[in-house]
Amino acid sequence: DGGITQSPKYLFRKEGQNVTLSCEQNLNHDAMYWYRQDPGQGLRLIYYSQIVNDFQKGDIAEGYSVSREKKESFPLTVTSAQKNPTAFYLCASSPGTSGRGRETQYFGPGTRLLVL
Amino acid sequence: DQQVKQNSPSLSVQEGRISILNCDYTNSMFDYFLWYKKYPAEGPTFLISISSIKDKNEDGRFTVFLNKSAKHLSLHIVPSQPGDSAVYFCAASGRNSGGSNYKLTFGKGTLLTVNP
Repeated sequence: DGGITQSPKYLFRKEGQNVTLSCEQNLNHDAMYWYRQDPGQGLRLIYYSQIVNDFQKGDIAEGYSVSREKKESFPLTVTSAQKNPTAFYLCASSPGTSGRGRETQYFGPGTRLLVL
Repeated sequence: DQQVKQNSPSLSVQEGRISILNCDYTNSMFDYFLWYKKYPAEGPTFLISISSIKDKNEDGRFTVFLNKSAKHLSLHIVPSQPGDSAVYFCAASGRNSGGSNYKLTFGKGTLLTVNP
């Protein structure tokens, strides 16, 4: 049963703390993405990765970091430098580099991050 | 600067009637367009897409129309059902300098309510 999993569903962060959100896919997709959604807003791109060991900043990368050591995994760390981290975080993947439908992104269920 | 705009934050229709969701874009480099459906606290679900070489794509009750000269696309749902009530996001993809499509730019979404 292929898909994208995100964990945890809810995450609480204390002031000055770094937290890491997990994203795993078994779709054999090359590209992976992290988005942030705020109330009444669309999805804003944080980071994306087209291939293992490579990633690029999106539109709102400040205060976040990522790694892509395995094709299946793309964890996102929300650092203490992110001053307004409360949001719904979405991970997505797409076939990526070639083939029909390579642009279509498939999303995980999301993680809601709350600040204590 | 919003490159993808969904100017109607909400839309309400009666069950069985047609729902028309609209989307405008400003970037002429966009060449692939997608619609996603999203329920609260869940990840978006891919609905339908269209390439810029076409002006219409149909999948069951869902049809997307593209008017390139007006930089406008619309999603038609016929007939509308109460289960269609959700937020609908329009997204667009364009080639980066390297020539591969991988990033999506999202609109802010339209909340569709289908009344029984």
